[in-house]
Amino acid sequence: QVQLVESGGGLVKPGGSLRLSCAASGFTFSDYYMSWIRQAPGKGLEWVSYISSSSSYTNYADSVKGRFTISRDNAKNSLYLQMNSLRAEDTAVYYCARDRRIPPDYYYGMDVWGQGTTVTVSS
Amino acid sequence: DIQMTQSPSTLSASVGDRVTITCRASQSISSWLAWYQQKPGKAPKLLIYKASSLESGVPSRFSGSGSGTEFTLTISSLQPDDFATYYCQQYGWTFGQGTKVEIK
Repeated sequence: QVQLVESGGGLVKPGGSLRLSCAASGFTFSDYYMSWIRQAPGKGLEWVSYISSSSSYTNYADSVKGRFTISRDNAKNSLYLQMNSLRAEDTAVYYCARDRRIPPDYYYGMDVWGQGTTVTVSS
Repeated sequence: DIQMTQSPSTLSASVGDRVTITCRASQSISSWLAWYQQKPGKAPKLLIYKASSLESGVPSRFSGSGSGTEFTLTISSLQPDDFATYYCQQYGWTFGQGTKVEIK
């Protein structure tokens, strides 16, 4: 079945780094844009980053620009988020999602989500 | 940046009620709006895309409408499984702050 499974979350000190992974199965991964979305404890959803199907295009929320890097390996059906210079406000559950956007003008929603991985930034 | 504002933030309703949630964009987004349902400890679930298109497998009691800057999500007859938090999202970017639908 169509599935996304995140991993790599954990406890990290402020200023530290972490790399999240998202393993896709059950669909042709290389056909889709992919996004990372996060949710701080007790808060709403925040889109973090997306990457195009061939890795040609990436985009980031202002809150993470310059610190986070999204990448993918279509041969391994995997999505990644490298997070550097982590701050307490990056503490959240991080979800990967299949992103049905066709830039610049079309968007059909994020239809497949992983279960999330928790990142805690604390000293 | 386009801001998304949902109202109300919390809604108390009973099983069988008709429920409407509003989402307003700070500038026109045409029809590029999605609605999601999220239950505690779970990932969001896509309900509606392109403002009014029902995602496959989603019950027909859910419907969406609107274009430009004002959008609504309607649940025609609230069911026990529908008590959750609902989010709108514009064009894969900004989410609204969420509307929690709770039992009256």
